[in-house]
Formats: sequence, structure tokens, C-alpha cells
Amino acid sequence: ETGVTQTPRHLVMGMTNKKSLKCEQHLGHNAMYWYKQSAKKPLELMFVYSLEERVENNSVPSRFSPECPNSSHLFLHLHTLQPEDSALYLCASSLRLDLSYNEQFFGPGTRLTVL
Amino acid sequence: GQQVMQIPQYQHVQEGEDFTTYCNSSTTLSNIQWYKQRPGGHPVFLIQLVKSGEVKKQKRLTFQFGEAKKNSSLHITATQTTDVGTYFCGETSYDKVIFGPGTSLSVIP
Repeated sequence: ETGVTQTPRHLVMGMTNKKSLKCEQHLGHNAMYWYKQSAKKPLELMFVYSLEERVENNSVPSRFSPECPNSSHLFLHLHTLQPEDSALYLCASSLRLDLSYNEQFFGPGTRLTVL
Repeated sequence: GQQVMQIPQYQHVQEGEDFTTYCNSSTTLSNIQWYKQRPGGHPVFLIQLVKSGEVKKQKRLTFQFGEAKKNSSLHITATQTTDVGTYFCGETSYDKVIFGPGTSLSVIP
């Protein structure tokens, strides 16, 4: 499946580093999402964008900074992360923001390790 | 806040046995979506349930939405090794899906 791509697939960074995760969707969707998936925890929604505007921010620490320059691209800028931020970061997209009748398409994720 | 529970957390079955995972909420659920995540993979949408008492089938998979819309189940008949993975239910609420913790299924050949 190549509808939603994410780079890099794996990332190891120190607590003082700055890095960015990239997500691109080739499905013509209007909504994009960032999720965090940690071991033994449910998928946690971090950010929601609809037509490049942020519509949801689930009390995410400011060390995570999203950017959506257009409806096909979504970034997650990382700085001064903590070891507990190590997780799989998943990007997803949906045709429309209203998920009552729309499914989400997930990317393969970026496995992040913070040392 | 909203919480969606799933049981069991883990299930090990012999190939050919049936498997069921349950999704429960203390409040009425609007819609339910089910996703499957293979080991090392990402969640993939399976189905959405909207109506009270709704039953949908996909080959060996049967999905049900409770009459009171407070629970849902996924039943797999005669499991195969390709069914291995974690099955998540999620309540859809306009612009978000509140996911349950998932049930991890392993199938012993």
C-alpha cells in the first residue's frame, strides 16, 4: 500500500536533537492526523488537520510541533524530546474530516527512539 | 472522558478455532470502526458499524453492534495464521476516533 507514506521509517535521536517526521498522502484526502502508539497503550490522537487547518490538539506537549503546508503533506517537528516519547508515530488521512462515514488510511509509521 | 474497553487483551488459539473480541463502553457509542494491525505493520480499516443491532460479515469475520449501541464484537470463524495481529475497535466522534487498547491474537499452527 502506498497511499500514505512516512519518512523516515526509523529514527534514533538524542534529547537535545531537532528532527522532523514527514507524511505524504496520495489519495486526495482532505484530513490528516498524527497518532502516537506506545507499547501497551491505545492509539493516542495527537493532531488533526483539515484542509491545512489544525482542528484538534489533544494536549500534546509543545516539544511536538505539527505543520501542514498543504493537504497532501504533514510534518511533525520534534525538539528536546524525552525518552518516554519513544514510540511508533503514525500518520493517517481520511477523505473528509467527518469520520462518521469515513475511514482512516494509516501510513507505515516512524519508529522513534529517544536516547 | 470517553473510554472504550476491549477484552481480552491477548488471545492464543489453535489454528481452526474460533476467536471473538469484545468492545465495550459505559456510554452509548455513535459509530464503531474496526481496524487490524499486523505485527510490525500499521492499522488497516476493516469495517464500520452504524446502526443498533447491525451485523456485517466479511468472509470468516462477523461484526456486531449491540442493540443498545454500548458494545460491539468481532468474531472470526476457523482462524488462520493470516489472522494474526491486533484488532482495535474505535468509536468515531466526528473528527476523531477513540480507540480501544486492542486485542492481540496469536494463532498456533
